[in-house]
Amino acid sequence: DAGITQSPRHKVTETGTPVTLRCHQTENHRYMYWYRQDPGHGLRLIHYSYGVKDTDKGEVSDGYSVSRSKTEDFLLTLESATSSQTSVYFCAIGTGQGASYEQYFGPGTRLTVT
Amino acid sequence: AQTVTQSQPEMSVQEAETVTLSCTYDTSESNYYLFWYKQPPSRQMILVIRQEAYKQQNATENRFSVNFQKAAKSFSLKISDSQLGDTAMYFCAFMKQRDSSYKLIFGSGTRLLVRP
Repeated sequence: DAGITQSPRHKVTETGTPVTLRCHQTENHRYMYWYRQDPGHGLRLIHYSYGVKDTDKGEVSDGYSVSRSKTEDFLLTLESATSSQTSVYFCAIGTGQGASYEQYFGPGTRLTVT
Repeated sequence: AQTVTQSQPEMSVQEAETVTLSCTYDTSESNYYLFWYKQPPSRQMILVIRQEAYKQQNATENRFSVNFQKAAKSFSLKISDSQLGDTAMYFCAFMKQRDSSYKLIFGSGTRLLVRP
């Protein structure tokens, strides 16, 4: 357990509404990641962060924004949710370097956009 | 760009038997890392095993072992003495060694059912 929590764990929202998902870590790791998981696609990287205020896009970043104002918190925002953003969202932290590198994942957030 | 392919969407195995999950990848990199993650029904992602591309010896973790064929770009996972608790989604993942952001690229997953 790498001390990663996600909130909320479940959310149902309507199309067009803004949604923010929170990822919180307790161990001050530099690297944090947001993925979405969809059947047939595995996990796909949305955005990642390599430090406070340092973020970059992943492969499926359209429609999403992120912020990291503190080391421990990484927020994912859907500015105007769409049905295609119904998914399970995972946050992860990266620990170690080189051959000892590992990503630890949070418990996931199931988001349904109606 | 790197891609990871898991060609078996679903597999099943009898308890105590051995099963092999396939993973192939495409890359022009010569140094990289490969991972297998397990996702049980609880949805928690758990690292099962990792392999460094510069190591010829196949990684082993208890009942889990890999068959790493660098030239063929193949990285299969063998589970010996399958247990009911091995029922899960299994994801293969790739990471470039020289990626300073340590990004993982995942395959689409294989759903494994262990039958009693």
